[in-house]
Amino acid sequence: SQKIEQNSEALNIQEGKTATLTCNYTNYSPAYLQWYRQDPGRGPVFLLLIRENEKEKRKERLKVTFDTTLKQSLFHITASQPADSATYLCALGLLSGNTPLVFGKGTRLSVIA
Amino acid sequence: DAGVIQSPRHEVTEMGQEVTLRCKPISGHDYLFWYRQTMMRGLELLIYFNNNVPIDDSGMPEDRFSAKMPNASFSTLKIQPSEPRDSAVYFCASSPGTSGGANEQFFGPGTRLTVL
Repeated sequence: SQKIEQNSEALNIQEGKTATLTCNYTNYSPAYLQWYRQDPGRGPVFLLLIRENEKEKRKERLKVTFDTTLKQSLFHITASQPADSATYLCALGLLSGNTPLVFGKGTRLSVIA
Repeated sequence: DAGVIQSPRHEVTEMGQEVTLRCKPISGHDYLFWYRQTMMRGLELLIYFNNNVPIDDSGMPEDRFSAKMPNASFSTLKIQPSEPRDSAVYFCASSPGTSGGANEQFFGPGTRLTVL
């Protein structure tokens, strides 16, 4: 069956450390993958996009990798801050072009000062 | 731009009542998506539109759910009759329609629906 799994429901990390979140998928062949941030009581907000032919993408303190052989994406936040505390969702884009996304359930990250 | 606008933000209703959720997408966006989010199932796509035309409604749970997009600036999601298991947060999202793109989706603030 098709599955998207994000490594854990919750992740606690000390301020200043690097947070690493995992997104694994089974029986999907995504053309691209997106990461979103969701704060309590709000809708998800787009962070990064990485395509199947890209290995790594960076944006400020954020880095995403995409390994289509391992069927895995890693999302890193370096020098984490309490303001980074939120739920992070990965989403698979199954076809090129503007098609719907399939979302993981998310990982709730808490950065402790 | 004000972003995606949804109303109401909260809705409490009794089982059997009709519920209508509303969405105004970002001007110029060609795609509109309706999602439902629960703790158990996460964020699930219900239906999406391209240029006001429904493209895929396979995520609509049953005939009690219906969605319309009469024009480019307005969409509704209706549940009739509502049931307690419909309680969830419903999100509307819109996206530009550039060809060959993998465009980000812009989400509204959601409507928290509680069916008693």
